[in-house]
Amino acid sequence: GAGVSQSPSNKVTEKGKDVELRCDPISGHTALYWYRQSLGQGLEFLIYFQGNSAPDKSGLPSDRFSAERTGGSVSTLTIQRTQQEDSAVYLCASSPQRRTGGGVRAFFGQGTRLTVV
Amino acid sequence: QKEVEQNSGPLSVPEGAIASLNCTYSDRGSQSFFWYRQYSGKSPELIMSIYSNGDKEDGRFTAQLNKASQYVSLLIRDSQPSDSATYLCATGSSSNTGKLIFGQGTTLQVKP
Repeated sequence: GAGVSQSPSNKVTEKGKDVELRCDPISGHTALYWYRQSLGQGLEFLIYFQGNSAPDKSGLPSDRFSAERTGGSVSTLTIQRTQQEDSAVYLCASSPQRRTGGGVRAFFGQGTRLTVV
Repeated sequence: QKEVEQNSGPLSVPEGAIASLNCTYSDRGSQSFFWYRQYSGKSPELIMSIYSNGDKEDGRFTAQLNKASQYVSLLIRDSQPSDSATYLCATGSSSNTGKLIFGQGTTLQVKP
């Protein structure tokens, strides 16, 4: 596609429910990132995929959070038993290749605003 | 110590002035550095990348990198009110996983 697509754009859920957030990266991009941004805060790293594998999932806040990526393309971030502190904007980004010694230019989707009530 | 540090601001400059945004990082092995611009309620947008010591210019933007001092900066010349946004500094992790680490961002206000 033309850009990184995330769905839904907004999600309101009740505390304790499970939610799934979807990210469709730019076609051909092998790297995919999930970040979380609370109101007025910076980007908190959650997980990074290279292809279908996740070499770095160090940012997942708890075992209620999980993510998968299939076919080297679409990724889903699942939050189980949501809590109010999970409320934030969840941003997905993709990049075309991994550069030796560090990250590469990443392009962001518009995010999913999650509100847990 | 945060991995990437930025002054949260706000940094206020008059229209037409040079805005200088600064960032320090702790991972001495980082080799890639990025500046993103984020308007309120929008997602971050990549505006500059730099990989080597020195300056890199793109239009009104200049990124500066000093690896010895672990310091990255962004200069915006002839600042415009439309430049008012939060500017996020990001570095690539030296662990070669491709992980990008972001600072908290600096809010820039350009006053007409």
